Amino acid sequence: AQRVTQPEKLLSVFKGAPVELKCNYSYSGSPELFWYVQYSRQRLQLLLRHISRESIKGFTADLNKGETSFHLKKPFAQEEDSAMYYCALSQTGANNLFFGTGTRLTVIP
Amino acid sequence: GAVVSQHPSRVICKSGTSVKIECRSLDFQATTMFWYRQFPKQSLMLMATSNEGSKATYEQGVEKDKFLINHASLTLSTLTVTSAHPEDSSFYICSAAGASGYSYNEQFFGPGTRLTVL
Repeated sequence: AQRVTQPEKLLSVFKGAPVELKCNYSYSGSPELFWYVQYSRQRLQLLLRHISRESIKGFTADLNKGETSFHLKKPFAQEEDSAMYYCALSQTGANNLFFGTGTRLTVIP
Repeated sequence: GAVVSQHPSRVICKSGTSVKIECRSLDFQATTMFWYRQFPKQSLMLMATSNEGSKATYEQGVEKDKFLINHASLTLSTLTVTSAHPEDSSFYICSAAGASGYSYNEQFFGPGTRLTVL
C-alpha cells in the first residue's frame, strides 16, 4: 500500500527566508511524485512533478529514492507563497493520486 | 484550458434524502474522473475513480451503494450521496484527467461542493 507523509501541518517563515516543506512516501513500486498547491479561496492546482525537473515559481523538489522523500524547497520565500501545499503520489502506470495531509505555509512579511 | 466545474457549490439537505453532485470538464474530454472527500483541516481522501462508460472503482472503505458514481460521458460524472446522514457532511472534490496536451495522469480539480446534512 502507498502512503504519503507530511510531518508539518503548519510552517511559518519570514519573507526572504528559505523554506522547505517535507514529504516522505512509502510505496513498493516506482512512484510518480507531485506537489499540489491551494491558494486561499482557489482550487487545488499542480505546482510541480518530479519527472519534469522544473522550477515553478522558484520552487524545486528532488526525488530521493534512498530516503523516500520529495521535499519542496524555495530559497527565498515570498508573501504570495502562503498557501496549503499537498504532496501526492501516483502509482506506477496509474493516474490516481494519494495525498499527504498537507502543510499550511505562512510567509510573514 | 483544462477547466473542471462542479455543481452545486453548496448544498444543504435533510437526513435521509439523496443529493447529486455534478462534475464537468468544460473544455476537454476526460478519460478518467476522480472523486475525493475532504474533512475539515484534513487531506483529500480518494473515494473512487471512474472511467467513461464503465463502473467506478471504489477505494477500500468507501460504500459503493452509498456513494453512487455515474460517468455517462467524457465530460460529465455525477456523485449521488444516497440516504444522506450528518456524518456524510463534508467537502467533496472532483478532478479529471486526460486533457489533450497534458500528461495522462495530470489531474485538474473542480472547486468542490460543500455538503451539509441536517
